[in-house]
Amino acid sequence: GENVEQHPSTLSVQEGDSAVIKCTYSDSASNYFPWYKQELGKRPQLIIDIRSNVGEKKDQRIAVTLNKTAKHFSLHITETQPEDSAVYFCAASSSSGANNLFFGTGTRLTVIP
Amino acid sequence: ETGVTQTPRHLVMGMTNKKSLKCEQHLGHNAMYWYKQSAKKPLELMFVYNFKEQTENNSVPSRFSPECPNSSHLFLHLHTLQPEDSALYLCASSQVITANTEAFFGQGTRLTVV
Repeated sequence: GENVEQHPSTLSVQEGDSAVIKCTYSDSASNYFPWYKQELGKRPQLIIDIRSNVGEKKDQRIAVTLNKTAKHFSLHITETQPEDSAVYFCAASSSSGANNLFFGTGTRLTVIP
Repeated sequence: ETGVTQTPRHLVMGMTNKKSLKCEQHLGHNAMYWYKQSAKKPLELMFVYNFKEQTENNSVPSRFSPECPNSSHLFLHLHTLQPEDSALYLCASSQVITANTEAFFGQGTRLTVV
């Protein structure tokens, strides 16, 4: 099955700085890469996703890049704010019909005011 | 609310007990999932049901038994659990079509095995 690795496990940044989280995947058939944000005590929620037919996608302060050749994808958060503090999970899935999402181990982001 | 409801929110059970976790989705999705979230392995996929049929069992011990009576309901039956099974159990659902779509998670059941 798919194996997703995520780095770093923890990340602290000053408010206003940028944060970058990186993930690699093993299954070349994977073509869907969502990112989830989980605030303390709450459920994971999708913040952005990218499909293998594009290399970059942006939504306001959040962007995701995908390198299919190297099998890695990254989350970029610019102008970080304290409310961005949470655990972020990357995931990968193939369109085999099973829609199985395999998650990375998570990154705990702390934005220091 | 995301339309995925899990009950109970918290559960404490002994190793000899039998209990069940329930998940219900009101989103019209046709796929449902059980994930285990613990400090050691965050968001570990346990079971997948597509159109009520189990399609994935990621080597989960038999003391966990899933049941999907229809596309809106999913259960996880628990028996003779171990303390290391203590974790947050998350249910999710999605719409399986030709391409992958967003998975919506429930609030989870915090399970403690004593």
